[in-house]
Amino acid sequence: EPEVTQTPSHQVTQMGQEVILRCVPISNHLYFYWYRQILGQKVEFLVSFYNNEISEKSEIFDDQFSVERPDGSNFTLKIRSTKLEDSAMYFCASRRTGEDSPLHFGNGTRLTVT
Amino acid sequence: RKEVEQDPGPFNVPEGATVAFNCTYSNSASQSFFWYRQDCRKEPKLLMSVYSSGNEDGRFTAQLNRASQYISLLIRDSKLSDSATYLCVVRRDTGRRALTFGSGTRLQVQP
Repeated sequence: EPEVTQTPSHQVTQMGQEVILRCVPISNHLYFYWYRQILGQKVEFLVSFYNNEISEKSEIFDDQFSVERPDGSNFTLKIRSTKLEDSAMYFCASRRTGEDSPLHFGNGTRLTVT
Repeated sequence: RKEVEQDPGPFNVPEGATVAFNCTYSNSASQSFFWYRQDCRKEPKLLMSVYSSGNEDGRFTAQLNRASQYISLLIRDSKLSDSATYLCVVRRDTGRRALTFGSGTRLQVQP
């Protein structure tokens, strides 16, 4: 069964550094997402991406965040200047067309900001 | 009020028991409904979509009550492997279309 893959599985960085989290969505999916989950809290929406542009973003997704689809397969989340409170599990997800199509999640990148 | 509310649990049940989880959503524009399962420190995985007429998948039954803005999940004949957090998830048809997750209900099935 095709999967969403994310790298790295764990990233440790110092406050103020830039990080790039990488994702390869399922190949025939057209909608891409980033969610995050702070330890012990709920899964929170960050941003959705379709047709090479952001279609929606949450209040969490401020100017420190950006997304890119640099080629036909990768989907990246960049955090420009990390803060301690950015420490969380970041999940990439994708889905095919159709409003009822479910999201398929990658296994996440655990980001630790020290 | 939270957009999606769930009882956090934990629900501790013996193997073989039947257990039910409830979820309420506040936004009447919610259109699509799902139950996801999340194991500790893992990604959410789709358990089942929830349809207006209710639907069943093996030991799992989901119900939707649009009038009361309420979704339920019933698990029959619980297995040890059912121990996880069950996430109620909704998608609106207006405004923010991305999935909104509840905080989850933790289930612990005991031998």
